Amino acid sequence: SQTIHQWPATLVQPVGSPLSLECTVEGTSNPNLYWYRQAAGRGLQLLFYSVGIGQISSEVPQNLSASRPQDRQFILSSKKLLLSDSGFYLCASGDHRSYNEQFFGPGTRLTVL
Amino acid sequence: EDKVVQSPLSLVVHEGDTVTLNCSYEVTNFRSLLWYKQEKKAPTFLFMLTSSGIEKKSGRLSSILDKKELFSILNITATQTGDSAVYLCAVHGSGNTGKLIFGQGTTLQVKP
Repeated sequence: SQTIHQWPATLVQPVGSPLSLECTVEGTSNPNLYWYRQAAGRGLQLLFYSVGIGQISSEVPQNLSASRPQDRQFILSSKKLLLSDSGFYLCASGDHRSYNEQFFGPGTRLTVL
Repeated sequence: EDKVVQSPLSLVVHEGDTVTLNCSYEVTNFRSLLWYKQEKKAPTFLFMLTSSGIEKKSGRLSSILDKKELFSILNITATQTGDSAVYLCAVHGSGNTGKLIFGQGTTLQVKP
């Protein structure tokens, strides 16, 4: 079965500072990868997805970017954080039979002050 | 626009009660509906439903899909305090990207 690793687990950053969140996947190859954000008391909002190395699609206009430098590595970045970037960030992996379940990492709780 | 709506948004019950959580959807080219349980961190997978009228069951949890009326329900019988969590409903829509559209979630609190 798949294992999704995310780090760091928690992060407190000042407004205007850069961000890099990393996600790595074990137990599968060539997965579809996803970044979600969850605001307090809300559902999951899809931010980015990737169907292969170097292929990134953005779902919502925002202050963030994503990259996929290796098959099982997915990175979420920002050059300058905003207060509104605070939230719980989840990385997920799914296979290419696109109607199956996605597996989630443990998440990163980001607080921007 | 694709949409998934869950109700109620929150629910407080006592141990031993039975609860029903609802999920309705409007999605182009429906492929599957999934239920997840989220306690403090990562959502954990419960069920995937693709066909109408076929109940999926796991212990005290069960779920069923109605593709004509575009909804699903998640039932939990004989609730326990360990069932306290956010329950998320998500739907796979069109395309081959595997994107999931999530509802807002239902927060369930089970009191002893």
